[in-house]
Amino acid sequence: NAGVTQTPKFQVLKTGQSMTLQCAQDMNHEYMSWYRQDPGMGLRLIHYSVGAGITDQGEVPNGYNVSRSTTEDFPLRLLSAAPSQTSVYFCASSTLQGTISYTFGSGTRLTVV
Amino acid sequence: AQSVTQLDSHVSVSEGTPVLLRCNYSSSYSPSLFWYVQHPNKGLQLLLKYTSAATLVKGINGFEAEFKKSETSFHLTKPSAHMSDAAEYFCVVSDSTGFQKLVFGTGTRLLVSP
Repeated sequence: NAGVTQTPKFQVLKTGQSMTLQCAQDMNHEYMSWYRQDPGMGLRLIHYSVGAGITDQGEVPNGYNVSRSTTEDFPLRLLSAAPSQTSVYFCASSTLQGTISYTFGSGTRLTVV
Repeated sequence: AQSVTQLDSHVSVSEGTPVLLRCNYSSSYSPSLFWYVQHPNKGLQLLLKYTSAATLVKGINGFEAEFKKSETSFHLTKPSAHMSDAAEYFCVVSDSTGFQKLVFGTGTRLLVSP
């Protein structure tokens, strides 16, 4: 089925470790983004991209890096994990043409100990 | 800058009674507005969206919302709650400046009792 695929679904990291959260979409969407969800705070935008080779910061970008080498993939990198990065991470994509339509992945639950 | 305020963190209803989840927004531009639902340990599912067409928007599972510009509100309603409606609901605004960044409210948890 077409959609947004996030891997892994669960991850436990030790403080200082690095990892990459993967996000892939097969809908040829130009726009892709990463959000983190924390209790009582809704979802907050980390980074976003409006096309291959173009990325920009969202509301809470510190501690995260992104790149967009293809239309399909938008990985999120944690270079040195901190306990404050314990959260649920969602990737979302959308077309930039015509009617706005966002599709969310099923999320990655990350715990940093 | 855009913002969204969900006026209730929790709403409790009995099965078969009406549901009202309140949302107010602030936007400098013509906004697009959405309601998303998140069931426990699941991703987000779009319930409905407003994009400057009809002000009364019908969504999935019997939900609807009315855009009221004068009140800057976009409240979500359903005539009769089902047990399966128990979930967290997010009101979301997106501006029209070209980047389509979503701004989420803090969420309203809907509890449905038998």
